[in-house]
Amino acid sequence: SQTIHQWPATLVQPVGSPLSLECTVEGTSNPNLYWYRQAAGRGLQLLFYSVGIGQISSEVPQNLSASRPQDRQFILSSKKLLLSDSGFYLCAWSVGDILTDTQYFGPGTRLTVL
Amino acid sequence: ELKVEQNPLFLSMQEGKNYTIYCNYSTTSDRLYWYRQDPGKSLESLFVLLSNGAVKQEGRLMASLDTKARLSTLHITAAVHDLSATYFCAVGGSQGNLIFGKGTKLSVKP
Repeated sequence: SQTIHQWPATLVQPVGSPLSLECTVEGTSNPNLYWYRQAAGRGLQLLFYSVGIGQISSEVPQNLSASRPQDRQFILSSKKLLLSDSGFYLCAWSVGDILTDTQYFGPGTRLTVL
Repeated sequence: ELKVEQNPLFLSMQEGKNYTIYCNYSTTSDRLYWYRQDPGKSLESLFVLLSNGAVKQEGRLMASLDTKARLSTLHITAAVHDLSATYFCAVGGSQGNLIFGKGTKLSVKP
């Protein structure tokens, strides 16, 4: 069966510091991978998605970036965090048709920027 | 631009009662998802609706989709405390992305 991992689970970072969140999926090959952010008052927002190694699509302009160095690894990064980057970051995966298959979510990383 | 609206945003109901959560969306889409989120936790997939008239049921929850009306409903039958959570609907965009509603926070009280 498929499993999705995210780490760290909780992170408190000062403004201006860098960020690296990691997501890995087990039990499947060539998944579609997604990064979402859930912030108070702004609901769930898709940040990036990837259909394959090195292929990243960005949904919103921001100071965040994503990379997919391996088939089942998706990384969310920032060079300098802003207060507005605080939120609950969720990684998700799907397989097959990106247009119809259900997305399954990881446990999430709660980021607080102070 | 695809927009998704849920109502109500907050719902407090007594155990044993029935209620319906509504999800309206603004542009054509043929796939709609319902997710559940417990406090501090991730999202759990409940239903996938991929065609007009689709109806799915799991326990006390039943979801339906009317693509012509751009409306999905999540019906709760004889609510129990364990159903307390936030429920999100999400509509599929043209690029494989999901557009989420703001969620309905459901509280079931004895």
